Amino acid sequence: GQNIDQPTEMTATEGAIVQINCTYQTSGFNGLFWYQQHAGEAPTFLSYNVLDGLEEKGRFSSFLSRSKGYSYLLLKELQMKDSASYLCAVRDEGQGSNYQLIWGAGTKLIIKP
Amino acid sequence: DTGVSQDPRHKITKRGQNVTFRCDPISEHNRLYWYRQTLGQGPEFLTYFQNEAQLEKSRLLSDRFSAERPKGSFSTLEIQRTEQGDSAMYLCASSRFGQGNEQYFGPGTRLTVT
Repeated sequence: GQNIDQPTEMTATEGAIVQINCTYQTSGFNGLFWYQQHAGEAPTFLSYNVLDGLEEKGRFSSFLSRSKGYSYLLLKELQMKDSASYLCAVRDEGQGSNYQLIWGAGTKLIIKP
Repeated sequence: DTGVSQDPRHKITKRGQNVTFRCDPISEHNRLYWYRQTLGQGPEFLTYFQNEAQLEKSRLLSDRFSAERPKGSFSTLEIQRTEQGDSAMYLCASSRFGQGNEQYFGPGTRLTVT
């Protein structure tokens, strides 16, 4: 079966660092995406990993370990505007599909002053 | 590039009525996706087009749902005989060809079935 797990909610302090974990179990794997979604708005793309390792993009970094079925999103120098839900999505080629993304339920990140 | 647009942004309908939503993707994107999202959940895949061809449809999608993309540009999603359980945000996304290309989402259509 397919399963993507993320913590439901996390709280962090402005200026600090937070790591949001995602574990997945899919029959195939062809890439992992992280998206940010503010309340009432559409998801916006943050990062894409298909090979093991760390991808850095400004204040945001994403890590992937395919052997462990594990990824994390690292947010540095947190700002109040980073308060949002963070969605992990996996492209599961094992479903006979190269196009369908399987989505986690998202992690609601609350930033406190 | 004006982004992905969806119309209407909000729709309130009575149970049993039919509704139709429209999505205009980014012009050079040949892939178009429809998702449904409820509060506190991630997007749930509904269907996918490459150009005008509907290549995938979720096994969870009942036959009350149908989607078209007649000329490979805009797409419509129709829900027939709506039920209260259909109340959700319906999101459209588009992307370029290529496995690593991210999907760009529209603002969504919020459907409320009373």
